Amino acid sequence: TQLLEQSPQFLSIQEGENLTVYCNSSSVFSSLQWYRQEPGEGPVLLVTVVTGGEVKKLKRLTFQFGDARKDSSLHITAAQPGDTGLYLCADNAGNMLTFGGGTRLMVKP
Amino acid sequence: SAVISQKPSRDICQRGTSLTIQCQVDSQVTMMFWYRQQPGQSLTLIATANQGSEATYESGFVIDKFPISRPNLTFSTLTVSNMSPEDSSIYLCSVRTGDSYEQYFGPGTRLTVT
Repeated sequence: TQLLEQSPQFLSIQEGENLTVYCNSSSVFSSLQWYRQEPGEGPVLLVTVVTGGEVKKLKRLTFQFGDARKDSSLHITAAQPGDTGLYLCADNAGNMLTFGGGTRLMVKP
Repeated sequence: SAVISQKPSRDICQRGTSLTIQCQVDSQVTMMFWYRQQPGQSLTLIATANQGSEATYESGFVIDKFPISRPNLTFSTLTVSNMSPEDSSIYLCSVRTGDSYEQYFGPGTRLTVT
């Protein structure tokens, strides 16, 4: 059974700070996805990465996939209160999504 | 993309009763899924709702407790049967369209069992 560990579990920062959250898998990812979930909503897909070493940027968010395809990081530059939410990594193996435990981020104005 | 609605958005139910949650999609989709998110936790897949046949359940989830229907390509229901306080969770419907990697999630149904 694949285990996805995310760290830190909780993060509270001030607006304008930078942060990085991590996702580590016990086995190689089929494809790695990052989601953000806001209170009262379902998760929303941010990015999909497939190739080891891949880096993708989405405005202030930078996603990095490890060379061995077993780890990933999400870096947010100049965080804003609108970035507050639960960040989830997931392994997308076709029909099945396996989620990590999530990082709960709060950005204070 | 797909727009997904769920009913009810939230409910408070008594122990021993059952609740049926509806999931409606604005377009025909190949795959529909039901997830559970316990308080402060991540998402766990309950089952895949198969159109015209029995749902496929993940380990730890059984049909008697979580019966699922999927009468067509845009609609599914999940029933939480004989509820106990441990069933208090957010239940989310998710769909996958075509050959895309993307899954889209509904807003969830927040269930509290007293």
